[in-house]
Amino acid sequence: DAGITQSPRYKITETGRQVTLMCHQTWSHSYMFWYRQDLGHGLRLIYYSAAADITDKGEVPDGYVVSRSKTENFPLTLESATRSQTSVYFCASSSQGTGSGYTFGSGTRLTVV
Amino acid sequence: ILNVEQSPQSLHVQEGDSTNFTCSFPSSNFYALHWYRWETAKSPEALFVMTLNGDEKKKGRISATLNTKEGYSYLYIKGSQPEDSATYLCASNSGGGADGLTFGKGTHLIIQP
Repeated sequence: DAGITQSPRYKITETGRQVTLMCHQTWSHSYMFWYRQDLGHGLRLIYYSAAADITDKGEVPDGYVVSRSKTENFPLTLESATRSQTSVYFCASSSQGTGSGYTFGSGTRLTVV
Repeated sequence: ILNVEQSPQSLHVQEGDSTNFTCSFPSSNFYALHWYRWETAKSPEALFVMTLNGDEKKKGRISATLNTKEGYSYLYIKGSQPEDSATYLCASNSGGGADGLTFGKGTHLIIQP
């Protein structure tokens, strides 16, 4: 089905473990984004990508790594998970960057224990 | 980091009444202003993308205006219905089309029957 899908929907991991959140879109949108949602902060940008092999830091990139070897995929990796990274993570895509509306995935709720 | 402010934080409105809320953003290096509607347990959905000073956009009973010189946008809902209950997010970016949006914390709208 066309759209933007995130996996897993829910994840519990232990402190210090590496975890990867997946994001896949079927529209061939050039731009993809990762946000985290926390109470009192709203949505904050972690990383974004304007095209395959082009990524850039957002507001809160520390502790995260991204890659974009293919246009349709934009995985987010927590190299060594910490409790402060417990959050809901949203992936989004856009055809024209901020010139067009973002389409968001359903989110991944990550709990670090 | 761009500072996007929304007010009020929450709003209770009687069914049938009209309402509006505000988004303010830095006017320098403005590129785009987005409005999203975010229902509980769902993902944010794009309502409007506005780029030009004086822009007015409308979608059914919802409309938005943009003043880029003074750095604010208004969202209006006419004849509120229970299905309008949601959090309304605005977002802007600090310059250029490729970098990610900075979101406000949202206005949580509750329509009371």
